[in-house]
Amino acid sequence: GAVVSQHPSRVICKSGTSVKIECRSLDFQATTMFWYRQFPKQSLMLMATSNEGSKATYEQGVEKDKFLINHASLTLSTLTVTSAHPEDSSFYICSAAPSRGGLNTQYFGPGTRLTVL
Amino acid sequence: AQSVTQLGSHVSVSEGALVLLRCNYSSSVPPYLFWYVQYPNQGLQLLLKYTTGATLVKGINGFEAEFKKSETSFHLTKPSAHMSDAAEYFCAVSSLSGSARQLTFGSGTQLTVLP
Repeated sequence: GAVVSQHPSRVICKSGTSVKIECRSLDFQATTMFWYRQFPKQSLMLMATSNEGSKATYEQGVEKDKFLINHASLTLSTLTVTSAHPEDSSFYICSAAPSRGGLNTQYFGPGTRLTVL
Repeated sequence: AQSVTQLGSHVSVSEGALVLLRCNYSSSVPPYLFWYVQYPNQGLQLLLKYTTGATLVKGINGFEAEFKKSETSFHLTKPSAHMSDAAEYFCAVSSLSGSARQLTFGSGTQLTVLP
């Protein structure tokens, strides 16, 4: 089956630093990737939709200057949390929709646990 | 606009018993509905999905769900629970966003299987 990887799986950083999270589709091309945030014991909240070669579309309440998304190729999207603060600590999950997989197919990455001290 | 409501944030069943996880949705257009499972510190795995056609959908690991338009429901069932079914389950509804469908998730139901 299709595989989506995320790197790193876990990161701990100091307040004020920036953290980059990578989402890769390993065996398929993905025109669209989605970034979610999940707080403990809660559901996934969509942060933004990333389309290859164009600007990401952010959900209401998500700061685009805080959470920078780059989808430079059909297999890679990155989320950079800039000037991270403790309240940014969360589980970040990406999903990738295959370019040829039809509209209803998304594959999820394993998630990245971000802890900001 | 669309939304998903999962009744019961925690469900406990005995091993071998019926599993029933409830999901109701709200959608202004014909919905596409999904059930995902999440194990601790992992991403989501698709259990099953309803798009069009047969309203009873069979998925992996013996799970199935039935789309009932009149009740706006998409409940997940499994006849006999196994210890390995213990996990968090999310119901989701989708809408079209560009070239792919954007998912809106319910709040999740934690399933505990008792020996």
